[in-house]
Amino acid sequence: DADVTQTPRNRITKTGKRIMLECSQTKGHDRMYWYRQDPGLGLQLIYYSFDVKDINKGEISDGYSVSRQAQAKFSLSLESAIPNQTALYFCATSDNMNTEAFFGQGTRLTVV
Amino acid sequence: TQLLEQSPQFLSIQEGENLTVYCNSSSVFSSLQWYRQEPGEGPVLLVTVVTGGEVKKLKRLTFQFGDARKDSSLHITAAQPGDTGLYLCADNYGQNFVFGPGTRLSVLP
Repeated sequence: DADVTQTPRNRITKTGKRIMLECSQTKGHDRMYWYRQDPGLGLQLIYYSFDVKDINKGEISDGYSVSRQAQAKFSLSLESAIPNQTALYFCATSDNMNTEAFFGQGTRLTVV
Repeated sequence: TQLLEQSPQFLSIQEGENLTVYCNSSSVFSSLQWYRQEPGEGPVLLVTVVTGGEVKKLKRLTFQFGDARKDSSLHITAAQPGDTGLYLCADNYGQNFVFGPGTRLSVLP
């Protein structure tokens, strides 16, 4: 089994719908991240969490929210999806020294 | 805000050729990481370099960190189709990881 698991892998949704992307990890890491990847823009940080009670905005948090349900689970929500949120979304974890970022396989989201 | 630039954006070469890709930062790196992302997968760490002037080798891949710790290069010798992917540089400066836009490499058989 993968160390970082994202569900769903692919999702098509309509404009205005609420959608949740889920991430779970077996690495035992405290730090978890949500990134968005668009062609030519690299990975942009949406939100990050350093423990269950800690939530921080990244550079592109508008239109998104997150929940850290447990050390192993970090979910990303789009309250009212819009077409320019169509992208590849990645969850990642790291240890407290940021030694390495471990990524899930990504969720390809299309908003129509 | 730190900005990372990578060049070239795209590179398509024949199997067996050599290539170099570059990463530049607007500020000094805390430590520089190179990741490779294959189609349909998340990025995977290749190497971390910390000291200015440092050179690390990973089989056919050679990573060099600039003396001023603001730039890096990745050289691949005798590229193979399995090297195809998106190469990302990143700075892990303690709180977060900052990623460059990547170089998309295609190695044709």
